[in-house]
Amino acid sequence: DQQVKQNSPSLSVQEGRISILNCDYTNSMFDYFLWYKKYPAEGPTFLISISSIKDKNEDGRFTVFLNKSAKHLSLHIVPSQPGDSAVYFCAASAPNYGQNFVFGPGTRLSVLP
Amino acid sequence: EAGVAQSPRYKIIEKRQSVAFWCNPISGHATLYWYQQILGQGPKLLIQFQNNGVVDDSQLPKDRFSAERLKGVDSTLKIQPAKLEDSAVYLCASSLGRRGFPLHFGNGTRLTVT
Repeated sequence: DQQVKQNSPSLSVQEGRISILNCDYTNSMFDYFLWYKKYPAEGPTFLISISSIKDKNEDGRFTVFLNKSAKHLSLHIVPSQPGDSAVYFCAASAPNYGQNFVFGPGTRLSVLP
Repeated sequence: EAGVAQSPRYKIIEKRQSVAFWCNPISGHATLYWYQQILGQGPKLLIQFQNNGVVDDSQLPKDRFSAERLKGVDSTLKIQPAKLEDSAVYLCASSLGRRGFPLHFGNGTRLTVT
């Protein structure tokens, strides 16, 4: 049973437009969420996080939104650049998980020039 | 700051052979993780260490996988004997070990079992 879902395996966006990547979770105990970006043959790189006491967190072109009632979070990239083309994973943690994170299956983003 | 170091980058073995992976975490990071990432899936936790003690190994196939973290720094993950379904990327990550801090990953070891 997948506790963290990313229902879109892939997404294509034009350069300069907004990319929106979605993530849903089933465990209501999750209270800390991370987004990672992964290029081929490299490890995942941390992008941005959000805790459940917030509903939004921004870092430059990246903004993460959290809707706790819907158990949904999204990552917005504005404006999208070709270098953003990668696989994006969301990950979630609960207090009783310690520092253990459950990862979603990822969404492959392609930003077209 | 130096990142998480892993070796080897690639390994090809035959089924029933053994293999070992090495990880050196970021200096000062108390928590170390081994994740398995099968193609098309997200990383799945195999084992989590806090210093040199095991915090969570509930998803580690203990009949064939073993891991240790001597002196609370470097770690090795071993598979013996390997099966075809062990083909995956094995990712090591480390963190400060407190809530609110992210994991930092190495580049992984891609294992192919033939």
